[in-house]
Amino acid sequence: DQQVKQNSPSLSVQEGRISILNCDYTNSMFDYFLWYKKYPAEGPTFLISISSIKDKNEDGRFTVFLNKSAKHLSLHIVPSQPGDSAVYFCAATINTDKLIFGTGTRLQVFP
Amino acid sequence: EAGVAQSPRYKIIEKRQSVAFWCNPISGHATLYWYQQILGQGPKLLIQFQNNGVVDDSQLPKDRFSAERLKGVDSTLKIQPAKLEDSAVYLCASEDRGLSEQYFGPGTRLTVT
Repeated sequence: DQQVKQNSPSLSVQEGRISILNCDYTNSMFDYFLWYKKYPAEGPTFLISISSIKDKNEDGRFTVFLNKSAKHLSLHIVPSQPGDSAVYFCAATINTDKLIFGTGTRLQVFP
Repeated sequence: EAGVAQSPRYKIIEKRQSVAFWCNPISGHATLYWYQQILGQGPKLLIQFQNNGVVDDSQLPKDRFSAERLKGVDSTLKIQPAKLEDSAVYLCASEDRGLSEQYFGPGTRLTVT
């Protein structure tokens, strides 16, 4: 029972362009969503989050959009840089309890 | 501020052997988590501690896995006996009270042969 889904296992984007990573969830009780970035041989690092009372949160080149009616969120990276190449995990939680992670999307940014 | 420390970074054992992993969370973080990440999947929670008490161990295979956090600081996760399907990266994370932003250690990659 995969409550958080990332249906694209990989994404390839040219440097300078926009990267859009998608995430869908099934549990309408989730009230807080997070994106983590993971480099090889390292643990995931927190990137950006959004509360269910908002529909957008922005931090520099990173913006997360939340569509509650569609149970969908997306991470936009503009402009994409080679250093953004990593695996991105979407995660969700209820009342800041345990995180439920998606399966991840591998982003490759090429010159 | 020092991050979450884990050791060892890599471990190779044969099936039916035992293994232990160690985690030292960020100073002052009351909540500690152990996750299992199988190749191609997202991290899956095994156990959550609040100080030295267990909050959630519903997904911990208790017939072979055990974990403790005796003094509310560092923690150990043990597998005994190991199975082939236990091959994974074991991640430890800690969190300041109720903020949801978890800080992860580098993980221990376990290979069971």
